[in-house]
Amino acid sequence: DVMMTQSPLSLPVTLGQPASISCRSSQSLVSSDGNIYLNWFQHRPGHSPRRLIYRVSDRESGVPDRFSGSGSGTDFTLKISRVEPEDVAFYYCMQGTHWPWTFGQGTKVDI
Amino acid sequence: EVQVVESGGGLVQPGGSLRLSCVPSGFSFNAYWMGWVRQAPGKGLEWVAIVNQDGGERFYVDSLKGRFSISRDNAKNSLYLSAYNLRADDTAVYYCAIPTSIGTVDYWGQGTQVTVSS
Repeated sequence: DVMMTQSPLSLPVTLGQPASISCRSSQSLVSSDGNIYLNWFQHRPGHSPRRLIYRVSDRESGVPDRFSGSGSGTDFTLKISRVEPEDVAFYYCMQGTHWPWTFGQGTKVDI
Repeated sequence: EVQVVESGGGLVQPGGSLRLSCVPSGFSFNAYWMGWVRQAPGKGLEWVAIVNQDGGERFYVDSLKGRFSISRDNAKNSLYLSAYNLRADDTAVYYCAIPTSIGTVDYWGQGTQVTVSS
């Protein structure tokens, strides 16, 4: 199985300041169709996960543009340009290239 | 608007079984793969299983093969997860996960709690 390793696992943030989460895969996520199926989800306790980013850098409709995704090969990053109070949550990367699709351990973003 | 309703969770004794259901609406159910993801207490998200449009292809995470079975009934717009010989470490919130696009999850259910305890 593809292992997804996130860092840090806990990220204290300051409102209005940027934040960044790293996700590394144990093997290339380039699919046979040439796409990289790397996603980022936000998960608040008691709620369903919410997709923020898909295919490395495509932002989900309705997601604020302070969220951005980047990366290639095996190294990927989620950035929040200016943290807002509602961004307090767990964040997971997930690869959808190789079955079983796998998640990172999750990063807790807290004020 | 896509809505996803899950049911079937609850308290189960160790060694018991249950069947979870997921009934989405607002999209063409039989056109897409469907799956289940779970989150154990204090743990991260974990894929459980996924099934293709006609139910002919099913994939499971290796650790759950043999105890979990995913199925669907396109006539009823319903997805199921049957679980057998449940253990305490199967305690989790189980989410219906809908990948209408390749390699991602576009829609999620609200989650149903399964607790395995005597």
